[in-house]
Amino acid sequence: QVQLVESGGGVVQPGGSLRLSCAASGFTFSDYDIHWVRQAPGKGLEWVASIRYDGSKKYYADSVKGRLTISRDNSKNTLYVQMNSLRAEDTAVYYCARKGAAAGDFHWFDPWGQGTLVTVSS
Amino acid sequence: EIVMTQSPATLSVSPGETATLSCRASQSVSSNLAWYQQKPGQAPRLLIYGASTRATGIPARFSGSGSGTEFTLTISSLQSEDFAVYYCQQYNNWPPVTFGPGTKVDIK
Repeated sequence: QVQLVESGGGVVQPGGSLRLSCAASGFTFSDYDIHWVRQAPGKGLEWVASIRYDGSKKYYADSVKGRLTISRDNSKNTLYVQMNSLRAEDTAVYYCARKGAAAGDFHWFDPWGQGTLVTVSS
Repeated sequence: EIVMTQSPATLSVSPGETATLSCRASQSVSSNLAWYQQKPGQAPRLLIYGASTRATGIPARFSGSGSGTEFTLTISSLQSEDFAVYYCQQYNNWPPVTFGPGTKVDIK
């Protein structure tokens, strides 16, 4: 079945770095734009970053611009996000989510991964 | 950036009753609006896209309506598994995609 599985979360000190991965299966990964969405503890959903199906374009929320880099390896069916200069306010569960349909520029998200927790704390 | 608001913040409903959730956009998003359900400790699940199209496997008791700036998610005959937080999301003008703050539906 269509599935996304995140990994790489953990505890990191302020100013530190972390790389998250999102492994995809059950669909043609190279046909779909993919997004990262995060959720701080007890809070709502915040879109973080997106990458086009072929990696040609990348988009970032202002809150992470310059500190996060999204990338993908279509040969490995895997999405990545490199997170640098981490702050306490980056503490959240990070979800990867697939654009709902391959065609068109309509970015509802389906499915979502189970999420990976990033905690920024000294 | 399009700001999404949802009301009420919390909705207390008895099983078997109907819940009506509202979502408003700060400017028109046409019909480019999705609804998600999230239960504690779980990832969000897509319910509705295109304002009114149910996602695969979503029961018919979930229905969406609206266009422009005003949207509604209606859950008829609430089941125990429907008590959760519901988020709306616009994807008409992106980046950024934006979400509403959520409505928690709990048991009355």
